[in-house]
Amino acid sequence: RKEVEQDPGPFNVPEGATVAFNCTYSNSASQSFFWYRQDCRKEPKLLMSVYSSGNEDGRFTAQLNRASQYISLLIRDSKLSDSATYLCVVTQAGTALIFGKGTTLSVSS
Amino acid sequence: EPEVTQTPSHQVTQMGQEVILRCVPISNHLYFYWYRQILGQKVEFLVSFYNNEISEKSEIFDDQFSVERPDGSNFTLKIRSTKLEDSAMYFCASERELRETQYFGPGTRLLVL
Repeated sequence: RKEVEQDPGPFNVPEGATVAFNCTYSNSASQSFFWYRQDCRKEPKLLMSVYSSGNEDGRFTAQLNRASQYISLLIRDSKLSDSATYLCVVTQAGTALIFGKGTTLSVSS
Repeated sequence: EPEVTQTPSHQVTQMGQEVILRCVPISNHLYFYWYRQILGQKVEFLVSFYNNEISEKSEIFDDQFSVERPDGSNFTLKIRSTKLEDSAMYFCASERELRETQYFGPGTRLLVL
């Protein structure tokens, strides 16, 4: 069973659309949760941490459901510059970040 | 804004050769990491390093791999005898405090022929 699972997409949306990505994790002892963004052939960059109460950063909203072991990311008013791969990431007891394979978003004009 | 830097950006080597990948973490960071990403695959953890010791390593990080912080700024990953399947992008990351934020370098793309 994969530790972090994501729908690979691609999600193809027009500018201005709202798009939601989902992620599930297998280890109930997972401790911290993040969304990273990765542009083609570039390094992962932290988009936002995810808290149990849910959190928002501008057009981006992240939610965590520990009971269902489910994380989501909502992007409102999509921009062309949002085109990237979105990586769901968790930590467990150790130091390692555990990555999902990513969901690819393509925003078109 | 401080950044993690990595050299070289690309490296091509023959199978069986040794390679050393170099990283300069952000200067006040204490925790250092190596990850790899095979083309089309997910980012995978290799090793974490703190206080001049390995603090955690994955199954991928076998005897062919080693890490070192030879001076106050560099953090290196050595692959002793490269295999074809070592071809990947290798990312270094650093973190000021544990479980804060890991900042990634731009990566070294390694191709083993």
